[in-house]
Amino acid sequence: QSALTQPASVSGSPGQSITISCTGTSSDVGGYNYVSWYQQHPGKAPKLMIYDVSNRPSGVSNRFSASKSDNTASLTISGLQAEDEADYYCSSYVRSRAVVFGGGTKLTVL
Amino acid sequence: EVQLLESGGGLVQPGESLRLSCAASGFTFSSYAMNWVRQAPGEGLEWVSGISGSGGTTYYADSVKGRFTISRDNSKNTVSLQMNSLRVEDTAIYYCAKGVTMIVPPFDPWGQGTQVTVSS
Repeated sequence: QSALTQPASVSGSPGQSITISCTGTSSDVGGYNYVSWYQQHPGKAPKLMIYDVSNRPSGVSNRFSASKSDNTASLTISGLQAEDEADYYCSSYVRSRAVVFGGGTKLTVL
Repeated sequence: EVQLLESGGGLVQPGESLRLSCAASGFTFSSYAMNWVRQAPGEGLEWVSGISGSGGTTYYADSVKGRFTISRDNSKNTVSLQMNSLRVEDTAIYYCAKGVTMIVPPFDPWGQGTQVTVSS
């Protein structure tokens, strides 16, 4: 159950757009649409931002969007705001009947 | 409003046991899978275990298989994690998270977490 691969950090200026990638294999990201994304602010519990590859839960800003191509999922945040600064994690179901998370990406809003 | 409240964390020595509990409210508990996810200090999220709504199916991460046991009591709306043979590397904040009908992502919401420290 190897972790999904995410960039350790990304940054952007307010108003800009950034994309965080999440790379797995055909046994996880590429094989199932059970990919989700979580936002975690320091000292807080994670919050679901995207589920089933590209769906936004009620209450999540439409500035957050996501997609998947082959074994790589992507989260895009448009119109960056200071409050978006946080850690972001992807997760996926794995063929071995388990769940795996990405290593996490620290987003810095410059 | 869905609420999850973990309890049972603490400081234990290597090799000892600990039992975590998560009390759920605000939804039909038996209809949803429940999961435990942990986060070691300064590290990322690691899924630990999941259990189906009926309790008949359980999954574990390789790192805890054979040492941890997940269970649930649908009459009390609680899910538990029995942790045996604890190791220093099990030190983490343990979160309880509501799943969907199967043991797959997404997890929403999450509890506030309970700290487990394994140290001699």
